[in-house]
Amino acid sequence: DVKVTQSSRYLVKRTGEKVFLECVQDMDHENMFWYRQDPGLGLRLIYFSYDVKMKEKGDIPEGYSVSREKKERFSLILESASTNQTSMYLCASSPRGQGRDEQFFGPGTRLTVL
Amino acid sequence: AQSVTQPDIHITVSEGASLELRCNYSYGATPYLFWYVQSPGQGLQLLLKYFSGDTLVQGIKGFEAEFKRSQSSFNLRKPSVHWSDAAEYFCAVDLFASGTYKYIFGTGTRLKVLA
Repeated sequence: DVKVTQSSRYLVKRTGEKVFLECVQDMDHENMFWYRQDPGLGLRLIYFSYDVKMKEKGDIPEGYSVSREKKERFSLILESASTNQTSMYLCASSPRGQGRDEQFFGPGTRLTVL
Repeated sequence: AQSVTQPDIHITVSEGASLELRCNYSYGATPYLFWYVQSPGQGLQLLLKYFSGDTLVQGIKGFEAEFKRSQSSFNLRKPSVHWSDAAEYFCAVDLFASGTYKYIFGTGTRLKVLA
């Protein structure tokens, strides 16, 4: 069964802390994505990656960075967490085709920044 | 600009009743179209997708969707809703714009099912 896992389901951090959200997929997919989900706003793309060491900005990259050192792992980094980054974070992956296919999602990480 | 609209934020239906969730997109051509479901505390799961061909597509869990080019719509339907269908539903499109592919999600419709 295909699987996307995220390192934490719930996370509580303090303002100014550096936060790492990890995502791992076991499907050998080339594409990986990070979204944030907020009520009434749907899913908004933060960053995506089409290959190892490759990254592209999405619609709301400010305040975030990413790392993809291995094909199966895509990390989202909040350099200095702020309260407006409190949200649900979803990781997804898809096979090669530059996104022209189903995306497979992890269960999400609910991050609270105090 | 390209966009996806789900006009209903919340929908409540009784168990056994029929369901239709609306989705409209704004794009100059026909994009790839998807419906996803998100159960409470879970990630999104694909229900069905449309790329080309027959405009009525069948998905998992008894759902179907119909693509109507003239209306730029891709509405999701189910003839008889079960209590387990209570979830949030997202329409998404995959299109080519500004030299790159973009995957755009609607804002979601939350379905409540009354016993």
